[in-house]
Amino acid sequence: DTEVTQTPKHLVMGMTNKKSLKCEQHMGHRAMYWYKQKAKKPPELMFVYSYEKLSINESVPSRFSPECPNSSLLNLHLHALQPEDSALYLCASSQDGWDRGHHEQYFGPGTRLTVT
Amino acid sequence: AQKVTQAQTEISVVEKEDVTLDCVYETRDTTYYLFWYKQPPSGELVFLIRRNSFDEQNEISGRYSWNFQKSTSSFNFTITASQVVDSAVYFCALIEPPGNNRLAFGKGNQVVVIP
Repeated sequence: DTEVTQTPKHLVMGMTNKKSLKCEQHMGHRAMYWYKQKAKKPPELMFVYSYEKLSINESVPSRFSPECPNSSLLNLHLHALQPEDSALYLCASSQDGWDRGHHEQYFGPGTRLTVT
Repeated sequence: AQKVTQAQTEISVVEKEDVTLDCVYETRDTTYYLFWYKQPPSGELVFLIRRNSFDEQNEISGRYSWNFQKSTSSFNFTITASQVVDSAVYFCALIEPPGNNRLAFGKGNQVVVIP
């Protein structure tokens, strides 16, 4: 099973709202990722969690707050977003540990976020 | 500096034609991994293939084939006898040495298969 699930599929929120995106995987992967993708662009890395600890934050504004409650779950808390934050948000997971030889990331279907 | 270059932006082919997507990468490391992903209109990125820097064996999987050449830093992808379901954006990506989980994506190739 190489499935990564994300909820919700679509989200419309106002600039004063607080919402959360959720991601789940049951592949035993220990690295999880959040990406942001604008139309006709490749995904841009936002955050990486490795063994449930934040290992990479690509200088993402504080209105995005990641959380990794356990090795299977990843959340992205949203607060006071701007219209330019409207995008497809993708979650991914992979095995961690360079010596294991598998570094492909498996992606979820994404959440299409619209900020009004 | 861009580490992965996919020069073609949009490629249109008539169904049953072959289509080849070019990927040129740049790295100073001897150990690295290359990937191809497919992103259909639904949005999900689908992993297609992984190659490590020590494995130059080319591969055929059904209608897909890959040509990895370290001498030219290229990792090209061919779809044989294209079908409408192949219409998608295809991304080439690179990951480098230990401790770095960053996937460097190319800009992507939009493939349109015309019935």
